[in-house]
Amino acid sequence: KQEVTQIPAALSVPEGENLVLNCSFTDSAIYNLQWFRQDPGKGLTSLLLIQSSQREQTSGRLNASLDKSSGRSTLYIAASQPGDSATYLCAVKTGGGADGLTFGKGTHLIIQP
Amino acid sequence: GAVVSQHPSWVICKSGTSVKIECRSLDFQATTMFWYRQFPKQSLMLMATSNEGSKATYEQGVEKDKFLINHASLTLSTLTVTSAHPEDSSFYICSARPPGSRTEAFFGQGTRLTVV
Repeated sequence: KQEVTQIPAALSVPEGENLVLNCSFTDSAIYNLQWFRQDPGKGLTSLLLIQSSQREQTSGRLNASLDKSSGRSTLYIAASQPGDSATYLCAVKTGGGADGLTFGKGTHLIIQP
Repeated sequence: GAVVSQHPSWVICKSGTSVKIECRSLDFQATTMFWYRQFPKQSLMLMATSNEGSKATYEQGVEKDKFLINHASLTLSTLTVTSAHPEDSSFYICSARPPGSRTEAFFGQGTRLTVV
């Protein structure tokens, strides 16, 4: 059974810092990996999607890497801003068919102004 | 991007009553929708996969007679929590996948259910 772990569980840093969020998964036979953002009481916003054949994806100040063989992914946030404060979720899709996602518990991020 | 609308965003109900949550894909037809549940400080857990025109597929440990799923059209799936108990209080969220797509799923806003 696939399990996804995110470290740290919570992080508070001053504005402007670069930071790294970590995600690990137990079954390396994944189809893809996604990073989401969740704001309190709200739905999910997809940030980056990495296919199993890819090593990284970039969008603006966000960069996500994937090392499938070691079961790890990192989300790098450059020049953090207070608006980046949210919970960041890592999710993997294990099968190539109509399978749902397996989520980690998330990293609760606070960017101090 | 694709939009998935979930309604209601929050609901409070009495123990023993039933609650229906709707999930709509607004600008695409979704043959497959997914229902997740999230307890406080826990990860989102897949409850069931909803397939248009056929029975839903439930994850292990999820009672199909308690969580009724209906996917009668290509744009609407509903989740009915029957005979709700306080332990059913949770955040329920749906996602939909456009036909032909096996990658990104689009999520609704979620529904906060409180059973009193």
